[in-house]
Amino acid sequence: DQQVKQNSPSLSVQEGRISILNCDYTNSMFDYFLWYKKYPAEGPTFLISISSIKDKNEDGRFTVFLNKSAKHLSLHIVPSQPGDSAVYFCAASDGGTSYGKLTFGQGTILTVHP
Amino acid sequence: ETGVTQTPRHLVMGMTNKKSLKCEQHLGHNAMYWYKQSAKKPLELMFVYNFKEQTENNSVPSRFSPECPNSSHLFLHLHTLQPEDSALYLCASRGQNTGELFFGEGSRLTVL
Repeated sequence: DQQVKQNSPSLSVQEGRISILNCDYTNSMFDYFLWYKKYPAEGPTFLISISSIKDKNEDGRFTVFLNKSAKHLSLHIVPSQPGDSAVYFCAASDGGTSYGKLTFGQGTILTVHP
Repeated sequence: ETGVTQTPRHLVMGMTNKKSLKCEQHLGHNAMYWYKQSAKKPLELMFVYNFKEQTENNSVPSRFSPECPNSSHLFLHLHTLQPEDSALYLCASRGQNTGELFFGEGSRLTVL
């Protein structure tokens, strides 16, 4: 049973436009959510996170939105750049920031075309 | 120095071989993790170590044996693996007051 799901395996976006990556979860105990980015032949790198006490967190071009009632979060990248092309993983934890046991989604391949 | 370093980056082994994957972190973190990434599957947590003590074994077969001699080093000893164990094995570390994991670049394992 997959507790974190990214239902879109891939997303293609034009440079300068908005990229929206979606993630759904089933475990209501999850209280901390993260997005990771992964280039080929590299490990995942942390991008942005959000605690369940918030519904939005912004960092430069990246914004994460959390809808707890729908058990849904999304990552917005605006404007998108070709260098953003990578695999994006959503992850969730049920231990707040102190535990760090993350459950990951399958990933979404983002391609940003020039 | 990079934060989390894994060696080897690539490993090919037969089902009867014994090999080890090594992970080293230079971030001063106290928690270290092994994750497995198979093709078209989410990252799967295998083991967690906090202050050198194993705190999580996610029902991993005994042919995978972790070792954490200190907070900076983590090993994954491999023996009598199966072809379906072929995957990318990722090591990660975490600081005490943060929920973010810092990953290494992974060890790509192929079992023939």
